Order: sequence, then C-alpha cells, then structure tokens
Amino acid sequence: QQQVKQSPQSLIVQKGGISIINCAYENTAFDYFPWYQQFPGKGPALLIAIRPDVSEKKEGRFTISFNKSAKQFSLHIMDSQPGDSATYFCAARSGGYQKVTFGIGTKLQVIP
Amino acid sequence: KAGVTQTPRYLIKTRGQQVTLSCSPISGHRSVSWYQQTPGQGLQFLFEYFSETQRNKGNFPGRFSGRQFSNSRSEMNVSTLELGDSALYLCASSLPRSDGNTIYFGEGSWLTVV
Repeated sequence: QQQVKQSPQSLIVQKGGISIINCAYENTAFDYFPWYQQFPGKGPALLIAIRPDVSEKKEGRFTISFNKSAKQFSLHIMDSQPGDSATYFCAARSGGYQKVTFGIGTKLQVIP
Repeated sequence: KAGVTQTPRYLIKTRGQQVTLSCSPISGHRSVSWYQQTPGQGLQFLFEYFSETQRNKGNFPGRFSGRQFSNSRSEMNVSTLELGDSALYLCASSLPRSDGNTIYFGEGSWLTVV
C-alpha cells in the first residue's frame, strides 16, 4: 500500500520556470512532512519540511503548500535552475521516529 | 563534522550468499535507521535503532537484520541473498529529539546480487 502518492514521476522545466510536485497521503497520523533532494550517487538530503498546522512554508526559492483537509501537499521551486536537476522525494513521518514513508520520487530536469 | 559514513560503497555478491553493511552515524547521533532504495519500489524503511535497541521495523523478510553497537555504529545483514535484493542501501542518523529532528543520510552501499 503506497501511503504517500507522488506525481509526476518526471518533470522537465525550462530555466527560470516553476517546478511543481504534488503529493497526497492517507495516514492521518503523519505529523511531519519533509521533502528530500537526491543527486546521482548521493544520499537524499533534507530540503524543506512542514508540519500540518502550517499551510505554507517558504525557504528561498522552495515553497511547501499544505492542505490538511485534502491530505495533500506540494513543492514549488521558483526560478528553477539547471543545478536543481535532481530527484525529489516527498515524505511523511509520525511520532518523531526515523521511520519515514517516501513518495516514489520525481526526476526533475531543468533545461537551459 | 563528518557525515554518515557507509562501507563498503559497492559490492557484488552471488545468490545465496550473505552480506554485512556498516554505518557510522554523525558524531553525537544515537538514532540510526536503514532504507532500501530500488528503481521500482523507491525508498523503503528497513529498521531503526536507538541505544542498541530496535524500535521500529519495516515490512521486510527475516533475512534482513540489523544491530547497533554501544558507540551507535550500526550494521545490517542480509542472508541468503536473492536477485531482488540488488539495491542501494542507505543508512541515516539523527539526534534523539522527537520534534522534527533532521534525518541525515549517508551515500549508501550499492549491492548487486548476481
């Protein structure tokens, strides 16, 4: 059972454009929603995270939008750059432990 | 400050063999977890250790096991390897805080089973 559904699985965006990745979850016990960025040959690195009592969080060019009633959240990358080309994972966690449920991942390619 | 260190980085094993992967967490981190990453299944949680005790386990068969030592270093073992065990195995560590503590991943151990 895929508890965190992520789309699209691949995304091509022009430099300067907005990249949008969407996720939906089912388990209402989730209370922490991180996004990870992974470059080839590297482990995932935390990009930005949000808790369900906040509807939006922005860090630089990266923004998470969160809709608790719809059980959906999304990542927006503004002014996308070629260096943003990576695989992005949405994730969810409950209870403060390290058990993280990941989405399937979105391979983002930003073309010049 | 050194990151999460995993060894070996690459290894090739034959079906039926067993393998042990090692993880050294970031200094001061006492929580360690393991994940399997494959193209088809993505990132899947294997297990989590804190103070040498397993406190969470994912949906993997008993061939997958792990342990944590008193210095927080961890190992995972896969016995009777199957072709489907070919994957990137990631170790992660964090401080033992319960409120949104960041999980740091290592670069992983690439296991190929032939």
